[in-house]
Amino acid sequence: DGGITQSPKYLFRKEGQNVTLSCEQNLNHDAMYWYRQDPGQGLRLIYYSQIVNDFQKGDIAEGYSVSREKKESFPLTVTSAQKNPTAFYLCASSMEGVLGSPLHFGNGTRLTVT
Amino acid sequence: AQSVTQPDIHITVSEGASLELRCNYSYGATPYLFWYVQSPGQGLQLLLKYFSGDTLVQGIKGFEAEFKRSQSSFNLRKPSVHWSDAAEYFCAVGRNTGGFKTIFGAGTRLFVKA
Repeated sequence: DGGITQSPKYLFRKEGQNVTLSCEQNLNHDAMYWYRQDPGQGLRLIYYSQIVNDFQKGDIAEGYSVSREKKESFPLTVTSAQKNPTAFYLCASSMEGVLGSPLHFGNGTRLTVT
Repeated sequence: AQSVTQPDIHITVSEGASLELRCNYSYGATPYLFWYVQSPGQGLQLLLKYFSGDTLVQGIKGFEAEFKRSQSSFNLRKPSVHWSDAAEYFCAVGRNTGGFKTIFGAGTRLFVKA
């Protein structure tokens, strides 16, 4: 079955450490996205990529970095510069070039930084 | 700026009762509108979408939504709620500027009582 796989499901880190969240898709989608979800705030866009080797900042990119070396993979690094990294992180993909293409989501990674 | 408002943080309905979740959007052009559902600890799943045409759209799991341009609304409805409908529901608007991006409301959590 096609889908998006995020790993790990739960991640614990000490403050000051960088951490990388994995996102892999086998839907053959060109566009991939990272969202952060906090209680009562909906989803906020961190980064997105429309094509391999290219990505753009979303609304809350500070303290995060991404790469897009392969179509299937879009890892997110939460750096020590992110002031409030504890959150639920969701990866999504869609068909680029198809107007209004809905998002397909992974099951998320819950990151806790202490 | 585009925005999505879901006025109700949470709603409780009895099993078998009807449901309406409210959504208002702010967007200059004809919007792409979506409703997604999220079970606890999971990713989001698309319920339905509206782009153009018939203003009443049918989705999965017996849900429907009506687009009302004059009220800038896209309310989600279900005639008879089942206990398995308990989840969080997100309204979203899509815009196509430099890549298709989706903006989410803060969500409405639905509780179903027996």
